[in-house]
Amino acid sequence: NAGVTQTPKFQVLKTGQSMTLQCAQDMNHNSMYWYRQDPGMGLRLIYYSASEGTTDKGEVPNGYNVSRLNKREFSLRLESAAPSQTSVYFCASISGQGFNSPLHFGNGTRLTVT
Amino acid sequence: DQQVKQNSPSLSVQEGRISILNCDYTNSMFDYFLWYKKYPAEGPTFLISISSIKDKNEDGRFTVFLNKSAKHLSLHIVPSQPGDSAVYFCAASYTNAGKSTFGDGTTLTVKP
Repeated sequence: NAGVTQTPKFQVLKTGQSMTLQCAQDMNHNSMYWYRQDPGMGLRLIYYSASEGTTDKGEVPNGYNVSRLNKREFSLRLESAAPSQTSVYFCASISGQGFNSPLHFGNGTRLTVT
Repeated sequence: DQQVKQNSPSLSVQEGRISILNCDYTNSMFDYFLWYKKYPAEGPTFLISISSIKDKNEDGRFTVFLNKSAKHLSLHIVPSQPGDSAVYFCAASYTNAGKSTFGDGTTLTVKP
């Protein structure tokens, strides 16, 4: 099993450019999440999707949009990238079997905005 | 206001000794706590968790202790091994462990 797969692994954007970060999970999990991690800091929740067809804002949603394309895929879009969005982005999923299931993370997308 | 704090950015211990990583939280609504381990260029992986109805949970070399009155939890690793060298994140949640609040992490180095 691949688990949670994120593409691309690395990306450099210029200010104002747009891009979509892709995420797919093969564990048949119901809920999916996008977190960002800035240097020396913990992970902060951007958006999440509790189930197919639903999305909700997390702690730091400004400047992002998401799409839950189907049960497997959850994408994150930056419409107009800013240097403050330079970060490592992690996608994660959770089985939803009870509220206290841990997150399964992908290996991240390292984004630099110049 | 940071709701989950890991006040030690780094910790160095000798192989075979005990590693103790600490975490403090401020939100009394948190009812589930998790520790994740992260190697460079990889995503965090789940290590161990504890519910607020317990004060201790063990899994092999890893034990998590929860002191609700002090709003403090700790992760003990005994004995520590070089492969344990990683960044450890404390996370807290209520109602949904997917919507966790993370600490800034502690980098553990285990010296052979």
